[in-house]
Amino acid sequence: SQTIHQWPATLVQPVGSPLSLECTVEGTSNPNLYWYRQAAGRGLQLLFYSVGIGQISSEVPQNLSASRPQDRQFILSSKKLLLSDSGFYLCAWRGTSGGELFFGEGSRLTVL
Amino acid sequence: SQQGEEDPQALSIQEGENATMNCSYKTSINNLQWYRQNSGRGLVHLILIRSNEREKHSGRLRVTLDTSKKSSSLLITASRAADTASYFCATDRNTGGFKTIFGAGTRLFVKA
Repeated sequence: SQTIHQWPATLVQPVGSPLSLECTVEGTSNPNLYWYRQAAGRGLQLLFYSVGIGQISSEVPQNLSASRPQDRQFILSSKKLLLSDSGFYLCAWRGTSGGELFFGEGSRLTVL
Repeated sequence: SQQGEEDPQALSIQEGENATMNCSYKTSINNLQWYRQNSGRGLVHLILIRSNEREKHSGRLRVTLDTSKKSSSLLITASRAADTASYFCATDRNTGGFKTIFGAGTRLFVKA
């Protein structure tokens, strides 16, 4: 069966520090991968999605970047965090034929 | 910008009552999905309805889709305290990677 792992679960970082959130999927190949951000009590904002290794689509100009160095690995990064980067970050995957998204448990980032 | 908009933003009902949540969207879609999120957790897929379908059932869930009005509704019948969660609609447009856009969600509270 397929599983998705996301880490770290919680992170407290100072303004100006770097960020790396990692997401891996097991049990499937060539998934479509997604990063979303959720502000407190709000909906999900699509940040990046990827249909293959090295293929990244960015949805919102921002202080973040994403990379897909391996088929089932999706990384969200920042060189210098801003206060506004605080939020709940969710990684998700789906098969190439579309359908439902499968979400990780999320990474809660607090920038102080 | 977010594709879907749910209403109401929050809903409080008694156990045993039905809960209805609505979603409106702006552009043509391939399908519409509903997800549930318990506080601080990842999202879980509930049901998917394709653009050529008008109604779909799954257990106590009933989803309708009106593409002429660009709207959908989620009905939860005989609600339980365990149904307390946030509910999101999400729409898919086939842009080559199935970009999935979420609405702001409805927060449902079911009182025991």
